[in-house]
Amino acid sequence: SQQGEEDPQALSIQEGENATMNCSYKTSINNLQWYRQNSGRGLVHLILIRSNEREKHSGRLRVTLDTSKKSSSLLITASRAADTASYFCATEFFTGNQFYFGTGTSLTVIP
Amino acid sequence: DGGITQSPKYLFRKEGQNVTLSCEQNLNHDAMYWYRQDPGQGLRLIYYSQIVNDFQKGDIAEGYSVSREKKESFPLTVTSAQKNPTAFYLCASSYIGGRRMNTEAFFGQGTRLTVV
Repeated sequence: SQQGEEDPQALSIQEGENATMNCSYKTSINNLQWYRQNSGRGLVHLILIRSNEREKHSGRLRVTLDTSKKSSSLLITASRAADTASYFCATEFFTGNQFYFGTGTSLTVIP
Repeated sequence: DGGITQSPKYLFRKEGQNVTLSCEQNLNHDAMYWYRQDPGQGLRLIYYSQIVNDFQKGDIAEGYSVSREKKESFPLTVTSAQKNPTAFYLCASSYIGGRRMNTEAFFGQGTRLTVV
């Protein structure tokens, strides 16, 4: 399978704390993206990082990419209860324009 | 409003029946995708299409069929050959940028299919 794998599968933190989730993948990529999914809804795009980038910021989100380790991390700073959701990484490989999604990290932020 | 619309939101199917899930987008996107989501398994690609009248199988295409007669529409038929069709189905679309690099995917709100 070309799916990425997120780690941890589930994460529970207090409001105000930082949340870090990781994604590992298997082959070379064009880009890696992070998405958020609220329960029973579609996915919403958060941030895209290209293979020649190492770090990217968007508001309270910080994404890093280490192509030598084939891994990425998503950091959510100063978490809020509204951040409670599942987070998925998606990779686009050089062969074909397809998105491959990981299994997701379920984040619970306790007020 | 621009966006991607899936219908219906809930669908019930009797065993042995074919059902068709609708997906329409008005974002002028070239590429469209169908994913299946089961609990704890993330999203798995069923079919995708990059241009009208052309589509490719994903990882789990068996028991499914699609068509792409119009740029805006990419319906998915779940056939009776699909042995375990109960799942949450997500449609997505994206723009194919220069050098055939994708940008972000936009998702519909999903269709929950249940076999009764």
